[in-house]
Amino acid sequence: DGGITQSPKYLFRKEGQNVTLSCEQNLNHDAMYWYRQDPGQGLRLIYYSQIVNDFQKGDIAEGYSVSREKKESFPLTVTSAQKNPTAFYLCASKIQHQPADTQYFGPGTRLTVL
Amino acid sequence: KNEVEQSPQNLTAQEGEFITINCSYSVGISALHWLQQHPGGGIVSLFMLSSGKKKHGRLIATINIQEKHSSLHITASHPRDSAVYICAVPNYGGSQGNLIFGKGTKLSVKP
Repeated sequence: DGGITQSPKYLFRKEGQNVTLSCEQNLNHDAMYWYRQDPGQGLRLIYYSQIVNDFQKGDIAEGYSVSREKKESFPLTVTSAQKNPTAFYLCASKIQHQPADTQYFGPGTRLTVL
Repeated sequence: KNEVEQSPQNLTAQEGEFITINCSYSVGISALHWLQQHPGGGIVSLFMLSSGKKKHGRLIATINIQEKHSSLHITASHPRDSAVYICAVPNYGGSQGNLIFGKGTKLSVKP
C-alpha cells in the first residue's frame, strides 16, 4: 500500500541535542511538507520541497533544517537553535502542480525535549 | 493569506447526539479538507470537498463556496468519535502548495 511513514511515533531528546525526524513516502509525489502543531494552534508550515535537491522555508523555519536528496525522503532536523522544540510534527506530500487540496498525511511524530 | 476559523473550540456531547462543527475561511478556494486527529496524534483525512455535500457513514460534510463556510456533521455520535476535527484550505498566497489549518475542534462524546 502506498503512503507516508514517519518514525518514530514518539521521540524524547535532551535539551541542546539535534534530532532528525524521518519522513518517507512511496506515492511518487514530488512535493513534500513539514508542519508543526502546538496545543491550541493550527498546524504551521516549517519547510517544503517541490522537487528533489530543492527546498524552501515555510512560516516557522528558524531552528530547523531539511534535506531532499531522494524523492521519497524528506528528513527534518530539529536543531539546538529551536527555542521550543517540543511539539507534534506532521509530514505531508502531494503531486506537484496539483491543487494543494490533494495532500496526503503521515501519522506524525511527537517530540518531547526534556 | 487565508484565515481559517473553526467553532466551537471544544464540544462535549452525549452519545447519540447530532454534532455540528463549523469552519469559515476568508479567501475563496477550490476545495476544503476535513481531518480527524486522534489522541495519539495521527491525522486521517475524512473529506475533501469542493461543492455541495459528501457523506461517509455517519459523517456528513457540506460546503458553501459563496459564503466561504463548511460544516462537518456527525449523526448518532459515539465515544469513538472523540477526537480533534480540523478543517484546512489551500494556501493560494504563494507557490508553496501547502494547506492552512484551523485550530481544530476538540470533540468529546460521553457514553
